[in-house]
Amino acid sequence: EIVLTQSPDTLSLSPGERATLSCRASQSVANIFLAWYYQKPGQAPRLLIYGASSRAAGVPDRFSGSGSGTDFTLSISRLEPEDFAVYYCQQYGPSPITFGQGTRLDIK
Amino acid sequence: QVQLQESGPGLVRPSETLSLTCTVSGGSVNSGSYSWTWIRQPPGKELEWIGSINDSGDTSYSPSLNSRVTMSVDTSKHQFSLKVNSVTAADTAVYYCARLAGYFDTNGHYYGGLDHWGQGTLVTVSS
Repeated sequence: EIVLTQSPDTLSLSPGERATLSCRASQSVANIFLAWYYQKPGQAPRLLIYGASSRAAGVPDRFSGSGSGTDFTLSISRLEPEDFAVYYCQQYGPSPITFGQGTRLDIK
Repeated sequence: QVQLQESGPGLVRPSETLSLTCTVSGGSVNSGSYSWTWIRQPPGKELEWIGSINDSGDTSYSPSLNSRVTMSVDTSKHQFSLKVNSVTAADTAVYYCARLAGYFDTNGHYYGGLDHWGQGTLVTVSS
């Protein structure tokens, strides 16, 4: 099983700042099988990035994904108020599919 | 626009079987480009993959739940289903159904990830 570890657990920033979230895998993940989601309280997660760097339909271009192998990053260039949520990375390559534990992005 | 909707009891007694159905509208479960997936999230905790099924009925389950989980698909009703037997309080969670993409289109563009989700349904295990 591939374990995904996200860091930091909590990130406190202000609107307009840049956010950088990390996802580290316990073994190599093919780029096409790495995704990022965000989740607001009481809502289902929403797909942001798939294939490590491709934005899902309707996702603003301030969101970008990068990385390869065991280290992946989600960047948000200029935080908007609606971006404060919990972010999860996921690998959907070899079974079992696994998620990271999440990074909570809080308003500072 | 594809939409998914979970349905089923919100309360299940310990040791009994949890049964949920996901109805897909605006699209078909009869597509080789997708796997139909269940995920759960205990209150205040992270996401946990339960299992996936394709339109042929091929399944893949989480090792931690494998012995208690059964998934099925009914293409005629545009539905797929989840059963978890011998439930305990640890199975209390919001259960989500979702569509997992993982294919290249005719232009070579890749689509992936859990691109459509149901709103989720809270299932509480309690006597």
